[in-house]
Amino acid sequence: LAKTTQPISMDSYEGQEVNITCSHNNIATNDYITWYQQFPSQGPRFIIQGYKTKVTNEVASLFIPADRKSSTLSLPRVSLSDTAVYYCLVGRPTSGTYKYIFGTGTRLKVLA
Amino acid sequence: KAGVTQTPRYLIKTRGQQVTLSCSPISGHRSVSWYQQTPGQGLQFLFEYFSETQRNKGNFPGRFSGRQFSNSRSEMNVSTLELGDSALYLCASSLRMGQGASNTEAFFGQGTRLTVV
Repeated sequence: LAKTTQPISMDSYEGQEVNITCSHNNIATNDYITWYQQFPSQGPRFIIQGYKTKVTNEVASLFIPADRKSSTLSLPRVSLSDTAVYYCLVGRPTSGTYKYIFGTGTRLKVLA
Repeated sequence: KAGVTQTPRYLIKTRGQQVTLSCSPISGHRSVSWYQQTPGQGLQFLFEYFSETQRNKGNFPGRFSGRQFSNSRSEMNVSTLELGDSALYLCASSLRMGQGASNTEAFFGQGTRLTVV
C-alpha cells in the first residue's frame, strides 16, 4: 500500500506562504492526491485535489512533479485561522476497490 | 444545504458492550465512508458504502460492521467493545465512490466521540 509521509509540525507567521510536502513514493498510476484540513473536534475539510502538474483553487495550490512521488500543498498568505492539521490522502485502487490512506498529518501553527 | 450529520456526538460505553453510530449524508450523496481517528493511529479508513452495498473495507476486525439504507443513511456497529476502540468516529459522504479519484470530494461530519471504559 502507498505510504505517505509528512512533516509532523510547522510554524509560520501571518501573511507568509506555507508549503507542506507529502512524500508518496509508491503512488500508483491511478492514484489522485487529495489534501484535507482539520480543526480540533471537527471532521476534515477538503482543500484541493490533483493528479499531476499544478492545480489551483481559491484557497490553495497543489504542485505535483512529473514522477508524482511527492506533492506540495501551498497556502498563500496564511492567517491565524489556518492553524490546523493538514492531511495528505492518496487514493489506492486495489483489485478494483480503493483503500484510502491518510498521511500522519502536519500540524501547522500560524503565529501573529 | 445541510451537511453530514452524525449522532450521537458523544458516547460512553462499557467494555464488552456494543454500539451503533448513525450518519446522515448530504442530500443526493450516495457514498458514505467511515473512519476511525485516534491520537496514536491517526485517521484510518474503516469502510465505504455505495447504493446500500459495502464497496471497500479497511483493515479492521469483523467486530466493526456497517450498513447503508435506501435513503443513503448509514450506521456503523462495533460489537464486544474494547478499550482500544475509544476514538473519534468520522463519517464522510460524497457524490461518487472512491476517495482519491477525480471529483470525489468527501464532506465529513463532526464525528462521534466514543469512550470505552
